[in-house]
Amino acid sequence: AQSVTQLDSQVPVFEEAPVELRCNYSSSVSVYLFWYVQYPNQGLQLLLKYLSGSTLVKGINGFEAEFNKSQTSFHLRKPSVHISDTAEYFCAVSDRGGSYIPTFGRGTSLIVHP
Amino acid sequence: GAVVSQHPSRVICKSGTSVKIECRSLDFQATTMFWYRQFPKQSLMLMATSNEGSKATYEQGVEKDKFLINHASLTLSTLTVTSAHPEDSSFYICSARGDSEASYGYTFGSGTRLTVV
Repeated sequence: AQSVTQLDSQVPVFEEAPVELRCNYSSSVSVYLFWYVQYPNQGLQLLLKYLSGSTLVKGINGFEAEFNKSQTSFHLRKPSVHISDTAEYFCAVSDRGGSYIPTFGRGTSLIVHP
Repeated sequence: GAVVSQHPSRVICKSGTSVKIECRSLDFQATTMFWYRQFPKQSLMLMATSNEGSKATYEQGVEKDKFLINHASLTLSTLTVTSAHPEDSSFYICSARGDSEASYGYTFGSGTRLTVV
């Protein structure tokens, strides 16, 4: 079984500032890692995913994340945020050799202020 | 890319009635579909997993008789909330996975906001 911890429930930031949303996971097996974004009253959209290879993963909308196996982390970053980035962000993990069903973190609300 | 269409996006129903929510994979065959429930300001809670042509597998604590799931074809799964009550009001989201996407993330529908009055 795996679990995901998103350490911050809410992250306020000013427009054009950098941001990091933290995600730590635990699993007894190798995993795939994902970040999803959810806008109000909408489903989830995949931002990026780590399957294998380079630990730095680039996604849509200028986001990137780095897989750190030793720290079991997969933090999401963006160098300069926009008002339109205001949304809920979910980190998810699924095990490689099992059901692949993702386990989600509780989410981090990113609030971008003008 | 893969698209999942979910309808309706919003529905208001009276207590005691049933509501059906549809989830369709538009450009791929979804061998497995998932239904989630999301409470305000919370994460997604997996309700059940449905495989085409077989009975759904429900997560612990989810009433299978209240939340009927049908996955009759490779592109359509439905969730019927039977005899709905106000406590069933929530945001329901489906997601789908095709055979080729076993390890590549899941495609989500846009969600259905159910309000039971």
